This record gives sequence, C-alpha cells and structure tokens, in this order.
Amino acid sequence: AQTVTQSQPEMSVQEAETVTLSCTYDTSESDYYLFWYKQPPSRQMILVIRQEAYKQQNATENRFSVNFQKAAKSFSLKISDSQLGDAAMYFCAYRSVYAGGTSYGKLTFGQGTILTVHP
Amino acid sequence: DTAVSQTPKYLVTQMGNDKSIKCEQNLGHDTMYWYKQDSKKFLKIMFSYNNKELIINETVPNRFSPKSPDKAHLNLHINSLELGDSAVYFCASSHGESDEKLFFGSGTQLSVL
Repeated sequence: AQTVTQSQPEMSVQEAETVTLSCTYDTSESDYYLFWYKQPPSRQMILVIRQEAYKQQNATENRFSVNFQKAAKSFSLKISDSQLGDAAMYFCAYRSVYAGGTSYGKLTFGQGTILTVHP
Repeated sequence: DTAVSQTPKYLVTQMGNDKSIKCEQNLGHDTMYWYKQDSKKFLKIMFSYNNKELIINETVPNRFSPKSPDKAHLNLHINSLELGDSAVYFCASSHGESDEKLFFGSGTQLSVL
C-alpha cells in the first residue's frame, strides 16, 4: 500500500518570504497523482495544486509551485511571497491512476504540516 | 449554492447513541466519499459510492453504515457511538471514480461525550 510522509509537523515563515513544505511517498506504481491540500482554521479542504506523475514539468499555480522528483519519490510545495492567508495545515496526498492500484479511487494523505505566517 | 453540503456542521452526543450525518452534492457527480479526520488531524477514507453502489469500504466498524438513496446524496449513520468516534467527518464528491479532482464539504465535527 502507498504511504505518504510529511516529516515537518510545523513550519513558520515571515510574510512575503518563501517556504518549502516537504512530502515523500512510497509506491511501486509508475503513474499516479499527487496533491497538496490546504486546510485553514475554517476546516474546509482546499485543493492547492496537483501533479500527474507522467508529466515531468512541475505544476505551478500562481505563488504555489511543486518540486516533483519522481525517482526520489519526493513532492515538495513551495509557497512564494507568503501571505497571512496562507496560514493553515497543508496535506500532501497520493492517488493511483489505474484501477486495481491500492490507492485507486481514494486519496492517501500524509500527516499534515501546520504552517504559521508571521507578519 | 454550496457544491457539497453536509449537515449538521457540529454534533455533540452521548456514548451509545445513534446519529446520522447527511451529505448532498449539486454538481451532478457520480461518485461520493466519506473521509474521517481524527484528533491528530489524520485523514483517511472510510467509504466511496459510485452511482449509489458501494465501491470502497475501508475496514470501518460495521457500526458505520453509509446509505446512498440517489447519486446526489450519501448519508452516514453511526450506531452505538463510542468516544473514539469523535472526529471530523468530511463528505466529498467527484465526477467519477477515475476523476482525481475531489470537491469536499466543510466537515461535520462529531463529539461523543
């Protein structure tokens, strides 16, 4: 079964600076999806960014970008120009592409990283 | 209009009671899910339904029974509530079981006293 590990329980960053959240995963599958979700204090789960493993180009969404290292099974999230509204818990997640994959049809989440943004 | 709506948002109840959480999506999606977020914030899937048919049942105690009367609704009924059932329960939906984009509800915080 796939596992997703976020080794940083907490991170902090000054407003306007850049922070990188780490995620590693374990899989024997060749194609899959990876995600970063944001959960602010409101509890809502918000999709920040997603990456398809067969695409070598790193995904970007405005101030959010990923560093996807397939061979190393690493998927880090970089937040540039951090804003107070970025403060939240961030979850890395994995999903199989192919039916029969143990994470097909479901997200397997990491433990989460709490991000604090200091003004 | 809220895409995926859950009711209630908060539920406080005594051990041993039976309770239900309702979920409705107005996105026309075929697949719906229940995820549980425990006290350590760990999220794990419980169930998924595709067109009212159960497709994932992730070793959840049989005190938990999902019910999908139609593809727009997926309710979660919990019998004989235990302290360990205290958690946030999220409903989500997607176009189909192969669609990787999930839309989450805002969660139901269940507190069992």
